[in-house]
Amino acid sequence: AQSVTQLDSHVSVSEGTPVLLRCNYSSSYSPSLFWYVQHPNKGLQLLLKYTSAATLVKGINGFEAEFKKSETSFHLTKPSAHMSDAAEYFCVVSALGTDKLIFGTGTRLQVFP
Amino acid sequence: GAGVSQSPSNKVTEKGKDVELRCDPISGHTALYWYRQRLGQGLEFLIYFQGNSAPDKSGLPSDRFSAERTGESVSTLTIQRTQQEDSAVYLCASSLGLSPMGDTQYFGPGTRLTVL
Repeated sequence: AQSVTQLDSHVSVSEGTPVLLRCNYSSSYSPSLFWYVQHPNKGLQLLLKYTSAATLVKGINGFEAEFKKSETSFHLTKPSAHMSDAAEYFCVVSALGTDKLIFGTGTRLQVFP
Repeated sequence: GAGVSQSPSNKVTEKGKDVELRCDPISGHTALYWYRQRLGQGLEFLIYFQGNSAPDKSGLPSDRFSAERTGESVSTLTIQRTQQEDSAVYLCASSLGLSPMGDTQYFGPGTRLTVL
């Protein structure tokens, strides 16, 4: 079965410093992987997705993620955090043969001035 | 419409009552999904529609939960005899449904259900 594990429930950074949100996946096949962001009282928004093309995926708002098969990881990064990046981030895998999404438990990102 | 819409945005009900939650997907999207998000947790898949049929109902937690979709558009999620553990945000998403994997799902704002 497919699954994702988000290694940190909370991450705190200072504005202007790099962001790293960690995600490991488990899948018996080459998966489709996503990162979604959820701002308070707002809907989920797709940040980026990987579907077996380039392993380095660029998303919106300066975020990117790298698919590393050898490490079964899909970590989300951003070179410089902004206050508006404070939100909940979900790493997501698509179940085999369907579009059913399997969500990680989320990482809450706090950004301090 | 411009995006996925859901109604109501908030619903407070008493234990034992039935509730209906509505989802209007993006026009032209053939695939529709329901998820549940309990407080402080990730999303749990409930059910998936392709057109008006539901090939995957595996996430429905009990027979108190049902969903239907008509006209390849609006979907209704019904919870009968609500229990306190049903309290959650219920999210709907839609996608073009053209590919078996990797199709981008667009989420609605959710319905926050509180069962007293």
